[in-house]
Amino acid sequence: DAGVIQSPRHEVTEMGQEVTLRCKPISGHDYLFWYRQTMMRGLELLIYFNNNVPIDDSGMPEDRFSAKMPNASFSTLKIQPSEPRDSAVYFCASSLTNRGTEAFFGQGTRLTVV
Amino acid sequence: QQPVQSPQAVILREGEDAVINCSSSKALYSVHWYRQKHGEAPVFLMILLKGGEQKGHEKISASFNEKKQQSSLYLTASQLSYSGTYFCGTENEYSGGGADGLTFGKGTHLIIQP
Repeated sequence: DAGVIQSPRHEVTEMGQEVTLRCKPISGHDYLFWYRQTMMRGLELLIYFNNNVPIDDSGMPEDRFSAKMPNASFSTLKIQPSEPRDSAVYFCASSLTNRGTEAFFGQGTRLTVV
Repeated sequence: QQPVQSPQAVILREGEDAVINCSSSKALYSVHWYRQKHGEAPVFLMILLKGGEQKGHEKISASFNEKKQQSSLYLTASQLSYSGTYFCGTENEYSGGGADGLTFGKGTHLIIQP
């Protein structure tokens, strides 16, 4: 398996634009997680899915953020409209189960909003 | 709630030992340890489940004291390749309706000098 695949690797956008980040989890993994990493806050859990269903989105910072998982092999994180403070590295991770198993991280998307 | 890591940063000479601590205010089901190198994704090191176990991974080992809600990562005879940021991630013992997902501390920056 190629591991968790995220795209794009880098994204530079202007404030107010819509941004869509994409993730393909490892095949067979039932759980998918979206994290945001900044120097100030570290790795923050934004939302996670179990079998394509959002379980906990309490980490999503604002209504400008939304995430979907239309099928087991694809998830998106959308920011609309984007703001400079959204600049961060966004990681997607997947795991077989949610309890006591390793989370495999994608390479991340570095988002810069100017 | 985010686990607390200490120290925030450590500078060592090659061959020296280090201990990184992780503590939580909540009862824990498991503690995960990851290492992240600059510009890369976090990489899994080990998981410790409740029961006070200790695990080893080459010269890197960890312990988990569930009563104290604490875990420690031990790096012995450090090598240059150990440099990076170490994160502990915790899963809470009790959660409403399902697991909370993996919550990470802010990380400990480890610099190994030759």
